[in-house]
Amino acid sequence: DAKTTQPPSMDCAEGRAANLPCNHSTISGNEYVYWYRQIHSQGPQYIIHGLKNNETNEMASLIITEDRKSSTLILPHATLRDTAVYYCIVGGGQGAQKLVFGQGTRLTINP
Amino acid sequence: NAGVMQNPRHLVRRRGQEARLRCSPMKGHSHVYWYRQLPEEGLKFMVYLQKENIIDESGMPKERFSAEFPKEGPSILRIQQVVRGDSAAYFCASSRGTGLTNSPLHFGNGTRLTVT
Repeated sequence: DAKTTQPPSMDCAEGRAANLPCNHSTISGNEYVYWYRQIHSQGPQYIIHGLKNNETNEMASLIITEDRKSSTLILPHATLRDTAVYYCIVGGGQGAQKLVFGQGTRLTINP
Repeated sequence: NAGVMQNPRHLVRRRGQEARLRCSPMKGHSHVYWYRQLPEEGLKFMVYLQKENIIDESGMPKERFSAEFPKEGPSILRIQQVVRGDSAAYFCASSRGTGLTNSPLHFGNGTRLTVT
């Protein structure tokens, strides 16, 4: 699975959009980009995933660059409850059977 | 619509005892994954199982750890002769098994094992 690079921590003001970057320059053609988050003391929560097109759901938007070497997770209106560690994971293409977590970005939403 | 259920939520064992962690996957899910999270660290993959089969145990320590997912009942992660270094949060995830792109992992809230 390709390696990802994320900033260790970020801050964002409540009500603003939180933009979390992820670099995955070694991504291969059939690998997807997944985002999960882990709120303190809870299990990881799936947010969104995509291959090459931008994706949006009720939680977030995922913007993947044309060369697929990086992506951005956007939380459009961050709330205090979005404070968590956010993991960008590359892999899990067709037939893949597990996800490998890195260290993630610790996002703090400030009032 | 219950999610992934793990029990117990907290488990305390003395060194040398056995720890049994249980995981009931979401309804309709036949694939189970176990991950371990040491204090202040990320999640590390341990093992991936389907009903009655271990598919990938590349992350399991070679000794003292075992996992099963029987035809009936929950998946069990078993740690024999626990040591202090086994203290961690153990998370279980499940999926429908149609491929991770179609069926993302759903995680339980973990079992926190403390070895005294």
